[in-house]
Amino acid sequence: GENVGLHLPTLSVQEGDNSIINCAYSNSASDYFIWYKQESGKGPQFIIDIRSNMDKRQGQRVTVLLNKTVKHLSLQIAATQPGDSAVYFCAEGWATGNQFYFGTGTSLTVIP
Amino acid sequence: GAVVSQHPSRVICKSGTSVKIECRSLDFQATTMFWYRQFPKQSLMLMATSNEGSKATYEQGVEKDKFLINHASLTLSTLTVTSAHPEDSSFYICSAHRTGNYGYTFGSGTRLTVV
Repeated sequence: GENVGLHLPTLSVQEGDNSIINCAYSNSASDYFIWYKQESGKGPQFIIDIRSNMDKRQGQRVTVLLNKTVKHLSLQIAATQPGDSAVYFCAEGWATGNQFYFGTGTSLTVIP
Repeated sequence: GAVVSQHPSRVICKSGTSVKIECRSLDFQATTMFWYRQFPKQSLMLMATSNEGSKATYEQGVEKDKFLINHASLTLSTLTVTSAHPEDSSFYICSAHRTGNYGYTFGSGTRLTVV
């Protein structure tokens, strides 16, 4: 499998600053990627997704960048707010729905 | 749309007993559901992929006889932790893939504590 069960790295940012969270995925055959936000004791919440035929996608205050050459994803959060404090995970899989794995998460703390 | 309901949200059981966790897609059909396990401050580890009407596919190292998965309909998958022991205490999360659509929707998770 593609699971990575590592202890979470942490990132602290000042309120109002931009945040960049990085993720390395493992399977070059993955064609669909999603960023999730997880608050303590809850299931993951969808933030933004991107297919492998794109290298950038923007949402509200968030942007996902995909670099297939080095199998790297990043999530950019603009004007980070205290409510953005959570653990962020990237996930890789197939758009057909047959496979879906999580990458290493990052714990984001926003300092007021 | 695309809501997944997971039940129970918390369960405490005695060592040696079995616990069943349900995952339901409320407003869509899900041919594939996934079961994950998450330890504190760690990522979600895929345990198995559950396909409606067929046997689940388990990840390496996951005991299929201990973690029984049944996906009897397009809206329901169940995970049964058999003969639970304290080391099985964890946060279990399911997700469902909507047939013919992108995206994976997650349940709210089940906190299992085995005493």
